[in-house]
Amino acid sequence: DTEVTQTPKHLVMGMTNKKSLKCEQHMGHRAMYWYKQKAKKPPELMFVYSYEKLSINESVPSRFSPECPNSSLLNLHLHALQPEDSALYLCASSATAAYEQYFGPGTRLTVT
Amino acid sequence: KNQVEQSPQSLIILEGKNCTLQCNYTVSPFSNLRWYKQDTGRGPVSLTIMTFSENTKSNGRYTATLDADTKQSSLHITASQLSDSASYICVVSEPGGSYIPTFGRGTSLIVHP
Repeated sequence: DTEVTQTPKHLVMGMTNKKSLKCEQHMGHRAMYWYKQKAKKPPELMFVYSYEKLSINESVPSRFSPECPNSSLLNLHLHALQPEDSALYLCASSATAAYEQYFGPGTRLTVT
Repeated sequence: KNQVEQSPQSLIILEGKNCTLQCNYTVSPFSNLRWYKQDTGRGPVSLTIMTFSENTKSNGRYTATLDADTKQSSLHITASQLSDSASYICVVSEPGGSYIPTFGRGTSLIVHP
């Protein structure tokens, strides 16, 4: 299984809502990532988890809260988002940091 | 600051033709360089990955080359198909455990029938 899955595929939320994005992989990878991608722009790294520990936080606002419950799962908790947070959120995993990353299909988030 | 520059920004070709996309980088030290294909609204899919010791890597109709001395890479697409229409992203990584890849802005390829 060389697949990274993400749910939901689409999410529309208001600025006062609390929601979560989920990511799962069963490749035994020990590094997992969250990226944010705006239209016609490259992905921007948000968080990196290595061996279930947060190793990189790219100065992301606290309204985004990552969680890695185990080596296969990665969540991104959302609270009090702004309309400018609307984007494609991509999850990726790799065997360990610096190895080839496998991306999920993404969650298209719209904040109204 | 590490940079990855891709050219052209966009490209339109006819089905069946070949094309070459360019990637220049300033990332140093260098661990590996990857080319991804990304369809609109979808996650990137890896095409090739090369370390500094590799000069060329093929994946079907896609062939990537790397010149680590000049810090240049190219992606050559042979006999293009309509399904090749996508954004092609070059990603360069530094070695080490604190892994932050540097993404290029991508080349948008459109293949017309």
